[in-house]
Amino acid sequence: ELKVEQNPLFLSMQEGKNYTIYCNYSTTSDRLYWYRQDPGKSLESLFVLLSNGAVKQEGRLMASLDTKARLSTLHITAAVHDLSATYFCAVDRGSSNTGKLIFGQGTTLQVKP
Amino acid sequence: NAGVTQTPKFRVLKTGQSMTLLCAQDMNHEYMYWYRQDPGMGLRLIHYSVGEGTTAKGEVPDGYNVSRLKKQNFLLGLESAAPSQTSVYFCASSYWGAGYGYTFGSGTRLTVV
Repeated sequence: ELKVEQNPLFLSMQEGKNYTIYCNYSTTSDRLYWYRQDPGKSLESLFVLLSNGAVKQEGRLMASLDTKARLSTLHITAAVHDLSATYFCAVDRGSSNTGKLIFGQGTTLQVKP
Repeated sequence: NAGVTQTPKFRVLKTGQSMTLLCAQDMNHEYMYWYRQDPGMGLRLIHYSVGEGTTAKGEVPDGYNVSRLKKQNFLLGLESAAPSQTSVYFCASSYWGAGYGYTFGSGTRLTVV
């Protein structure tokens, strides 16, 4: 059974600081996704990582994928208040063509001025 | 381009009542999914469809039924609502599986009393 775990589940940080959110998953997969959710809103796609070693950056966020370690990281550089949200990673099984995603529990990020 | 539209946005049901949630997408996506989101548990897959006329069970299908009579619509039914089905429901669609990422609807907040 594929399990996806995020760490930490809650993160409170000061503006300007750096931090990393970790996403571990339990079975082989080459495809990992990061989403952002603002309170009471839907999920917005941030990154799609489709191969080992993939790295993608958008503004102050950078995501990477290590399929051998079954680990993805979402690194936040010089955090700003606008980044406050809940971040989800999700993995698909890869071996099927169903596109089913298994989500982590989510990491709630609170950036304080 | 509306993307993925869910109706209704909010609903309160009494235990034992039935209802149908509608998901409509205008992106010609083959794949559609229903998830529920509960605090601290991420998103869990209820049912999904890989094309018109097809449906399949996800992680938590009990108490729900689905239909995909038209490619653009994916309906989620609750035959006899229970308080445990109080949740936020998200529909998502994808082109040829999750390798392209999901587009999510805005969600339906359902309360069963």
